[in-house]
This record gives sequence, C-alpha cells and structure tokens, in this order.
Amino acid sequence: RKEVEQDPGPFNVPEGATVAFNCTYSNSASQSFFWYRQDCRKEPKLLMSVYSSGNEDGRFTAQLNRASQYISLLIRDSKLSDSATYLCVVNILGNEKLTFGTGTRLTIIP
Amino acid sequence: DTEVTQTPKHLVMGMTNKKSLKCEQHMGHRAMYWYKQKAKKPPELMFVYSYEKLSINESVPSRFSPECPNSSLLNLHLHALQPEDSALYLCASSRSGQGAMQYFGPGTRLTVT
Repeated sequence: RKEVEQDPGPFNVPEGATVAFNCTYSNSASQSFFWYRQDCRKEPKLLMSVYSSGNEDGRFTAQLNRASQYISLLIRDSKLSDSATYLCVVNILGNEKLTFGTGTRLTIIP
Repeated sequence: DTEVTQTPKHLVMGMTNKKSLKCEQHMGHRAMYWYKQKAKKPPELMFVYSYEKLSINESVPSRFSPECPNSSLLNLHLHALQPEDSALYLCASSRSGQGAMQYFGPGTRLTVT
C-alpha cells in the first residue's frame, strides 16, 4: 500500500462548481499534513496546512480525519485559475521527509 | 518573503560534463532540500541538510554531490550524468526539518544529452 494515496483524476469541472479531493495516508504516526498545488512546469506551492480542527482560507477548506487517516480539500466557486495538480503531502513527526501523493489533476472548464 | 531562488533555470549538459546547480534562501530557514521531479510524477527527495549538516541521503548515486556552504546556500554538483537523470531539480527550504512546511524554488530543468 502506498504511504499517501490520491485519486489521480483528471477532474474536469465547470467554472463555479464545487470540487472535493480526498487523500489517504497509511502511517498513523503522521503528524503534519499539507496541500500543495503545482502548475504545469512550475514548482509546488504551499496551498494550506491541514489541522485536526479543519481550516479554511477563502474558497478553500481542508479537513483532517485522523481516525480514518484521510485528509480532504474542498474548493468552492471554482475559478479557471484553480486548474492545477493538487498534491497531498504528509510528514511523520521527527522525520524531515515529506511524503507526496501522486497528485490530482484538476481542470476548470469555462 | 518566502522566496527560494535557483540558478540556472535551464541546463543542458553532456554525459562527461561537470556542472553545479545553486539554491539560495534568505528566510533564516535551517533545513534545505534537493528533489528530483520527472514529468507527471511527484517530487522525489534526494538530500536533506539540517543546520548545514547532511541528514538524509535517499540512496542517491554518487554522480550527484550536494554541498551546503552556509545556512543560506545549497549546491548540487553534477558529474557523469546519464540521460535518465534529465528532470526538474527542485530546491526547498523549511524553518526546521521536523514537520515544517517547505517552500520550493522554481527549479532547474536539466537535460542530459
């Protein structure tokens, strides 16, 4: 089983729609969780950290479910500029290594 | 300012060449990373420097040689590379190594001919 699993997509979603991604992780000792976005031929950029209490940043909401070992990302009122690959990233406490999911490719359609 | 800079942006080198990739950050971060990314794949960790000491080497071939001259700079020396080493090489930094979010530079796109 992969340490971090994501649905690779692609997700093709009309502009203005709401889209949700899930990501599961296998190591229950994992402590830090992040969503990054990566545009084609660019570097990954931190979108948001994910906390147990959940967190929201504008149109983006991230949730963590430790019992089921998954994290989610919800994008509301999607924009064309949201088209990107979204990477689920997990870090195990005391370990300097980030473990990346394979990424979910999202295309927002006008 | 969450900027990590990398030079060069593009590099083409032959299999017998020696070249170096450079990375710099001025955020006071104490951990710096090298990643390799192939098309449509996630970044793969190569090396981690924490407080200027090499803390992780992910079994990277010796033709890749990292160097951390000081807390702001990270180099990757390349020698006798293979065509399959062609990829995007990303540098990242974080405030500390343990569980902290990482900030990536724009990468160096390397082609080995």
